[in-house]
Amino acid sequence: EAEVAQSPRYKITEKSQAVAFWCDPISGHATLYWYRQILGQGPELLVQFQDESVVDDSQLPKDRFSAERLKGVDSTLKIQPAELGDSAMYLCASSGRLRENQETQYFGPGTRLLVL
Amino acid sequence: AQSVSQHNHHVILSEAASLELGCNYSYGGTVNLFWYVQYPGQHLQLLLKYFSGDPLVKGIKGFEAEFIKSKFSFNLRKPSVQWSDTAEYFCAVNTGGFKTIFGAGTRLFVKA
Repeated sequence: EAEVAQSPRYKITEKSQAVAFWCDPISGHATLYWYRQILGQGPELLVQFQDESVVDDSQLPKDRFSAERLKGVDSTLKIQPAELGDSAMYLCASSGRLRENQETQYFGPGTRLLVL
Repeated sequence: AQSVSQHNHHVILSEAASLELGCNYSYGGTVNLFWYVQYPGQHLQLLLKYFSGDPLVKGIKGFEAEFIKSKFSFNLRKPSVQWSDTAEYFCAVNTGGFKTIFGAGTRLFVKA
């Protein structure tokens, strides 16, 4: 069964350092999502791509976070500089193109970030 | 702003007990509704979804949910839980735009 791949699974960094997370969606999925999940809360959408275009990044802290999906396939989320409050689980999900708002999202295992 | 409320953060049940997890959302228009589940050590996965038709939706593993438009609710139910249902359950709502909003989740622990 096809899965969403994410790496690394765990990342420990010091504040003010740069970190990057990678996501490879299920083949053929046009929509890719990056979520942040703080302990005890539900996933919060950071950015959503349709192919290579950003369709929603309203909750992305753009002074320090950036995301790209250059060829409309895999994606990278970067934080520079990292802050203590960025410690969280970063989830990637993908879904098909048709009727996006009704499509099932398939989640990867996540990257757990700890900023010291 | 749209929001999703899950009433219980933690629920503890014995096996064979009935389950109902509450979910309410704040939005007056057309909604698409989802329940996702995360079993220990596994990825978030879809349990069931509703976007039109019969407001009683059946999902995997014997779960069902009922959409009550007048109450802005989409409660999850299962008549008899098993130890293997121990997991975290998330209600999610899409209001027809791009963004899906998740509730804070309910941790269910089923005692064997």
